[in-house]
Amino acid sequence: GENVEQHPSTLSVQEGDSAVIKCTYSDSASNYFPWYKQELGKRPQLIIDIRSNVGEKKDQRIAVTLNKTAKHFSLHITETQPEDSAVYFCAANDYKLSFGAGTTVTVRA
Amino acid sequence: DSGVTQTPKHLITATGQRVTLRCSPRSGDLSVYWYQQSLDQGLQFLIQYYNGEERAKGNILERFSAQQFPDLHSELNLSSLELGDSALYFCASSPRTSGGPETQYFGPGTRLLVL
Repeated sequence: GENVEQHPSTLSVQEGDSAVIKCTYSDSASNYFPWYKQELGKRPQLIIDIRSNVGEKKDQRIAVTLNKTAKHFSLHITETQPEDSAVYFCAANDYKLSFGAGTTVTVRA
Repeated sequence: DSGVTQTPKHLITATGQRVTLRCSPRSGDLSVYWYQQSLDQGLQFLIQYYNGEERAKGNILERFSAQQFPDLHSELNLSSLELGDSALYFCASSPRTSGGPETQYFGPGTRLLVL
């Protein structure tokens, strides 16, 4: 089955700086890679996703890159703000979503 | 608000008991997924139903079972509960399952505490 590894597990950044989270996956059949943001005690919310026929996707301050050959994908958040503080999960989908362990992002004001 | 609803929000019960968690998918969505989120295990896929039929199974214990009804709502039944079953249980839905993977929209979750 799919195995998704996510790094780092915690990330502290100064407000206005960039944050980068990296994930690797094992199953070459995976072709959909969403990123979810989860605030404490709340539901995971999709923030951006990418499919295997695309190498990069951007939505305002958030971007995701995918390298299918190397089986890794990354989330980039630019100009971080305090409200970006949350746990971020990457996932890879073959027939089901397999999640990474999560990255706790703290944006220091 | 994702449009996915779950009841109850919180559930406190004792070891050995049985509980039922309920999920209503977004209007028009045919697929329902169940996930368990515990502190040490992260988000774990349990099971998927599509239009009333079981579609995929993950790390679901034999003590757990689920079903999807004709009106497309789904129930997750947890029996012979153990302390380690304490977790957040999320339901997610998506429009269909054929034609490639789709965005899944998560409900607010049910927090289960087994004492």
